Amino acid sequence: KNQVEQSPQSLIILEGKNCTLQCNYTVSPFSNLRWYKQDTGRGPVSLTIMTFSENTKSNGRYTATLDADTKQSSLHITASQLSDSASYICVVTNDYKLSFGAGTTVTVRA
Amino acid sequence: EAEVAQSPRYKITEKSQAVAFWCDPISGHATLYWYRQILGQGPELLVQFQDESVVDDSQLPKDRFSAERLKGVDSTLKIQPAELGDSAMYLCASSLGPSGYSRELFFGEGSRLTVL
Repeated sequence: KNQVEQSPQSLIILEGKNCTLQCNYTVSPFSNLRWYKQDTGRGPVSLTIMTFSENTKSNGRYTATLDADTKQSSLHITASQLSDSASYICVVTNDYKLSFGAGTTVTVRA
Repeated sequence: EAEVAQSPRYKITEKSQAVAFWCDPISGHATLYWYRQILGQGPELLVQFQDESVVDDSQLPKDRFSAERLKGVDSTLKIQPAELGDSAMYLCASSLGPSGYSRELFFGEGSRLTVL
C-alpha cells in the first residue's frame, strides 16, 4: 500500500508560469518530508526538507509547504524555466523507513 | 562536491545473463541504499546497508538478486539470471546515518538496465 500519493501525475506549463504539485501521505509516525527533483535519466536531487514544526520552506523559485494536521504538502514553482522540466518526488520519512511517491512529471514549454 | 559514483551508466544484456552494478558512496556515509525505479514510478528500496551489514532486504528478490558491501564502503548489486522485467533504473544512494536529518539521501546518476 502506497502511503505517499502525488498529484497530478503530470502537467504541462508555459515558461514563466507558476505551478503547484501536491503530496498527501499517511505515513506515521512522521519525521520529515523531502521534495526531490529528478531530471530525465539522472538521480534525484534534494530540494527541501521539512519537519513537523515547519510550515513553509523555500529554495530559490521552489517553495514547499507542509500541513502536518492534514498530512499534506505542496511544492510551488514560481516563474517556471525550461530547466524545471523534471519529475518531482515527495519522500516521507519516519525513523525507520522512507516512503516515496510516484512523482509528478513537469514539462515546461517555451 | 562529493558525489555518489555508479557504474555502468547503461547496460544492455540478454535475459538469463548475469549483470552487476557498482556504487561508491560519499566518503563517510555509513548508510547505503540500492533502489530500483521503473519508468514513471518512484524508487523502490531493494536493500539498505548500515556499514557492512544488511538492515533491510525485505524487497530484494533473493532468488536472483544479491548485494554486498564487504568493507562498508563501496557496494555491488548483482542480478543472475536477468529477466525481462528487470529492465529499470538502478539507483544507489547514501546518507550519513539511518535516521532524522542525517538521512538525507544523496543519489548517484543511476544505472539504466535493458534486458532483451
